Amino acid sequence: DTGVTQSPTHLIKTRGQQVTLRCSPISGHKSVSWYQQVLGQGPQFIFQYYEKEERGRGNFPDRFSARQFPNYSSELNVNALLLGDSALYLCASSPTQAGANVLTFGAGSRLTVL
Amino acid sequence: AQSVTQLDSQVPVFEEAPVELRCNYSSSVSVYLFWYVQYPNQGLQLLLKYLSGSTLVKGINGFEAEFNKSQTSFHLRKPSVHISDTAEYFCAVAQGGSEKLVFGKGTKLTVNP
Repeated sequence: DTGVTQSPTHLIKTRGQQVTLRCSPISGHKSVSWYQQVLGQGPQFIFQYYEKEERGRGNFPDRFSARQFPNYSSELNVNALLLGDSALYLCASSPTQAGANVLTFGAGSRLTVL
Repeated sequence: AQSVTQLDSQVPVFEEAPVELRCNYSSSVSVYLFWYVQYPNQGLQLLLKYLSGSTLVKGINGFEAEFNKSQTSFHLRKPSVHISDTAEYFCAVAQGGSEKLVFGKGTKLTVNP
């Protein structure tokens, strides 16, 4: 049974560019959440998607967007990158919408913005 | 809004010594409480969680935590630590029925020989 998989594991972008991060949930999980972890801080909630619809959004600017596909995988997009967007982006999946108590995290995608 | 305070940013201990990592949360409604561990360059691994029932929760790797509603605390303990326990530990809270976790800033545990 594979866990939550994320790609790419590491990437470097320059200011103003756009980035797409990908996440495949555990088989059977219909909910995907995204978290941003800036160096030295705890993760912060960005989005939750359940059954392909946005069900929750954290305090992030509109430059951040996401979507979920029919196979329940998800993409996180960040436009007009800023230096402050450098972080570890974590994806988590759960079987239900209100699934904070049963989240499984992936290993993350580390984004560096130069 | 919910918040989590981890009272110590860094905790150095010697191998085989006991350790307690402190966590306080703010919430006026029923909550779920969690401790996660993060090893260098890795994601988050769940150590233990409190959903309901017994206030003493046992987790993996010999860790345990006690939920104290009156003090709004959920401190993590281990009676004897190993070098391999060196990692960052995050306390998190979720409102019952919520879709999201709110994390503390983390406590870096360093176990020295």
